[in-house]
Order: sequence, then structure tokens, then C-alpha cells
Amino acid sequence: DAGITQSPRHKVTETGTPVTLRCHQTENHRYMYWYRQDPGHGLRLIHYSYGVKDTDKGEVSDGYSVSRSKTEDFLLTLESATSSQTSVYFCATTLGGGTTDTQYFGPGTRLTVL
Amino acid sequence: KQEVTQIPAALSVPEGENLVLNCSFTDSAIYNLQWFRQDPGKGLTSLLLIQSSQREQTSGRLNASLDKSSGRSTLYIAASQPGDSATYLCAVPLGGGTSYGKLTFGQGTILTVHP
Repeated sequence: DAGITQSPRHKVTETGTPVTLRCHQTENHRYMYWYRQDPGHGLRLIHYSYGVKDTDKGEVSDGYSVSRSKTEDFLLTLESATSSQTSVYFCATTLGGGTTDTQYFGPGTRLTVL
Repeated sequence: KQEVTQIPAALSVPEGENLVLNCSFTDSAIYNLQWFRQDPGKGLTSLLLIQSSQREQTSGRLNASLDKSSGRSTLYIAASQPGDSATYLCAVPLGGGTSYGKLTFGQGTILTVHP
């Protein structure tokens, strides 16, 4: 499972507050991803990283920012949380992003924005 | 834009049945397709990855096929067991070219296997 941990696992916050979710991996995978999972929408890519300090936007990046200062850590920040960002957030990694690379997922963070 | 559809949305079967889950995608310019399993409240676990040059992949009681030209994949589960109960998702690369492993997912098939 690529040793992926996410923290916190559950969080309740209020509208307008900043929130940071952390993803930590122990397998030295180069590529890391943040997805959100919502009923009726499935999993959608928020941001991804293809190396330290190298990040790019996914399908639903508005209202989110990311940072990757070390290979093992990928942070997702909600600058000012809104109720529409209530979701389950999953971090994922792949070794090289190539055609044979399986994607490994973390256990998820359930975020509720009141 | 790549769109992925999974049919049926839910499936309930008695133990021992062989079953087929379907996945279709709109853009056939993919270099692989993955099937995942998700248990309630958990993350996703990769089951099978089929490269575009392959027609099928097998792992134990699971067999996945890929027909790029028609934009379809099927996941066949033989001799289903209650422990197979989960949501099954298929995923293909998001966008063309070098997608760096970015994926777009179907909404999944919720499978329930009754003892």
C-alpha cells in the first residue's frame, strides 16, 4: 500500500477557516495526487505533484492549493473552507506515473465544513 | 473530455455466482485501464491494470478485459464470495499524452454478495 498515511483522518471545521491536510508516504514514489470523492461525482483529481516543488492543477482545483517540499509529504490546503468542500479526500501515489504504474491510495480524510 | 461510465450502479447476487461488471469510456486514446476495489470507509485498492497493448489480465478469480476500439472494459468475478462485497471502480488516464498517472474514474458498481 506504499505506506501512505493521511492526517487528520476526520476533521470538522467552520466556513472561512483555513484547513491543511497532510499526506505522507514511505516508498519514495515520485508522483502524488489529491482526489476528492463525492456522491454523484465519484473521485475527481484536485492537484498532483510530479516531484519536489513540482505541482499542477487537476479537474477541480479552485479553492485548493498544494505544496511538496519533501518527496514524502504532499500538503493540501483549503485557504478558506466552504461547505461545498465537505468531502472525503484521498491521497494517492505512483512510482513513476508510467503505463505500468499502479496507483496506491491512502485511507482518506473525511472533512466536514459547517 | 474523458468520461467513464459503469453499469450496473449496484448489483446483488447470491454466493457462488459468476458476474460481470462493465466500464465504458469515451476517449479510446488511453494507455492503460485500472480496476479498483473500495471497501466502506476505506481507500482504494488496485485490483488489475491492463495496458493498452493487452486484451486481458487475470488475478485469481478476477479477469479484466479491454477493448480500446469500442471503449469498453469488463471485470469478471468467478465464484463470488461474501468477501467480494465492495464498490468496484474503473479508471483511465485523465487527458491524452503524458498524463503523469492522473486518473478519471467511473462512479463505481456497488456489489453485494449474499451468503
